[in-house]
Amino acid sequence: AQSVTQLGSHVSVSEGALVLLRCNYSSSVPPYLFWYVQYPNQGLQLLLKYTSAATLVKGINGFEAEFKKSETSFHLTKPSAHMSDAAEYFCAVTKRSTGGFKTIFGAGTRLFVKA
Amino acid sequence: GAVVSQHPSWVICKSGTSVKIECRSLDFQATTMFWYRQFPKQSLMLMATSNEGSKATYEQGVEKDKFLINHASLTLSTLTVTSAHPEDSSFYICSARADNEQFFGPGTRLTVL
Repeated sequence: AQSVTQLGSHVSVSEGALVLLRCNYSSSVPPYLFWYVQYPNQGLQLLLKYTSAATLVKGINGFEAEFKKSETSFHLTKPSAHMSDAAEYFCAVTKRSTGGFKTIFGAGTRLFVKA
Repeated sequence: GAVVSQHPSWVICKSGTSVKIECRSLDFQATTMFWYRQFPKQSLMLMATSNEGSKATYEQGVEKDKFLINHASLTLSTLTVTSAHPEDSSFYICSARADNEQFFGPGTRLTVL
């Protein structure tokens, strides 16, 4: 069964520092993997997705993630954090189910950015 | 990208009343929509998959008689929380699939007094 595990419920970085949010997946078949961002009291916005094309995926707002099959990982990175990056980030995997697909979310990681 | 709207964005109701939340795909047709529930500082938990023209598929542990889902058209799914109680207070988010991608609504904050 597909699932995702996000390591670290909270991550704090200084403005301008590297952002690294960790996500590991378990899947019996090649997965579709996603990173979403959620600002307070809002829905989810897609940052990027992996769909078995390039292993290094570039997303919006300067974020990128690398699919590493050998490590079953899909970590999210950004070279230089900005104050506006402070939010909740969710890693997700799409799972095939009866009648189609559904998306399973990790527990989320809250990113804090210090001035 | 595709746009999904939800109405209302927030609602406060008395215990024992029913509340309906609408989810609309604004510029595309969605045969399948999903309803999620999110408690404060927690992840999204899938409640059910809403299929146009047929019964919704509920996740284990979700009471289908309490959370009524109707997907009457290709652009509208509704979630009705029946006989709401304070423990039903939560953030409800819908999403719809288009082009192998899920698009999420802005969410509805339900507070039951």
